[in-house]
Amino acid sequence: AQKVTQAQTEISVVEKEDVTLDCVYETRDTTYYLFWYKQPPSGELVFLIRRNSFDEQNEISGRYSWNFQKSTSSFNFTITASQVVDSAVYFCALTPTTDSWGKLQFGAGTQVVVTP
Amino acid sequence: AAGVIQSPRHLIKEKRETATLKCYPIPRHDTVYWYQQGPGQDPQFLISFYEKMQSDKGSIPDRFSAQQFSDYHSELNMSSLELGDSALYFCASSLGASGRTDTQYFGPGTRLTVL
Repeated sequence: AQKVTQAQTEISVVEKEDVTLDCVYETRDTTYYLFWYKQPPSGELVFLIRRNSFDEQNEISGRYSWNFQKSTSSFNFTITASQVVDSAVYFCALTPTTDSWGKLQFGAGTQVVVTP
Repeated sequence: AAGVIQSPRHLIKEKRETATLKCYPIPRHDTVYWYQQGPGQDPQFLISFYEKMQSDKGSIPDRFSAQQFSDYHSELNMSSLELGDSALYFCASSLGASGRTDTQYFGPGTRLTVL
């Protein structure tokens, strides 16, 4: 069984502050993919990043960065210099590379509120 | 770039009625997934298709059925609608041929309201 835990239900920040979203996962699979999706108030789900379990290199893409630590089963996501447009629900998700044909297991989501 | 198209975007039905949701995947994508998202909840996997065959099944009620057609579009058919079926229904597509874990790109969703 797989499980994704996002302990933070809501984070409120003032514009230009950094925001770090926590994600902890459980899986018995040895290979898997981790994702972050964004759901703005308009409702669509927007793909942000993907990381496979073999690659623990952390990267930065624009204002987004992520910290994947397999030893602690964590996949945290950081928005640097937040903007009002970053206000959304952010979902961490997991899918194994074997079986399940890629169905995503989502966490409960973290609501990010960025105020001017 | 072309995205996943879902229709209709909004649907209002009465209890016990039927509904059909349509999904048009990104061109060349051969795998389609359906998810249901209740208010304030995370998306829950319903069913998926790869090359027109059902590839996986989640917690989809027996009242629901789905299929993928030869042009790769998919339809989710929902019968005997209940109040609890009110939710946002997402379709996602991916290029399954290169592996089952290609990134899923989501459509804008269909918001179903059952009265």
